[in-house]
Amino acid sequence: NAGVTQTPKFQVLKTGQSMTLQCAQDMNHNSMYWYRQDPGMGLRLIYYSASEGTTDKGEVPNGYNVSRLNKREFSLRLESAAPSQTSVYFCASSEALGLGTEAFFGQGTRLTVV
Amino acid sequence: GENVEQHPSTLSVQEGDSAVIKCTYSDSASNYFPWYKQELGKRPQLIIDIRSNVGEKKDQRIAVTLNKTAKHFSLHITETQPEDSAVYFCAANAGGTSYGKLTFGQGTILTVHP
Repeated sequence: NAGVTQTPKFQVLKTGQSMTLQCAQDMNHNSMYWYRQDPGMGLRLIYYSASEGTTDKGEVPNGYNVSRLNKREFSLRLESAAPSQTSVYFCASSEALGLGTEAFFGQGTRLTVV
Repeated sequence: GENVEQHPSTLSVQEGDSAVIKCTYSDSASNYFPWYKQELGKRPQLIIDIRSNVGEKKDQRIAVTLNKTAKHFSLHITETQPEDSAVYFCAANAGGTSYGKLTFGQGTILTVHP
């Protein structure tokens, strides 16, 4: 099993460009999440999907959109990138919403917006 | 929403010493408290977790304690080794209907000197 796989690993964008970060998990998890990690600020939740067909805003959703394509895949889109979105992005999945269970993380995407 | 505070932000110890990291949370409905370790350039990985129905959990050199009344929990690492050097994050799940959502602390950079 690959676990949680993110693409790409690195990306440089110009201000105003758009891009989609892809995430897929093969653990049959119901819930998936997108976090961003900035120095000294821990991991902050951008959006999450409790189950296939549902998405909800997290702590820092502005400037982002998400799509839960099916149970395996959860993508994050930046429509018009800004330098403030320079960060490391992590996708994660867990077994079920409603239970306290381990979140498994992808390897991260390091995004730089210039 | 949930707020998690983590202290200290940096911790430096000699090999063989103990290390303690403390977190407080705000949502009294939270019932799941994981700890993640993140090595440089890697993804966060779960090292230990505790649920609200227990006060302490131990796994070899690592232990976590939980005080629900005071809303704080702590990570204890004994007999530290250089390979314990990493960033450690505490987290708490959101209460109510969003149990799967995790709110993370700001992280503690642990350095173990040989």
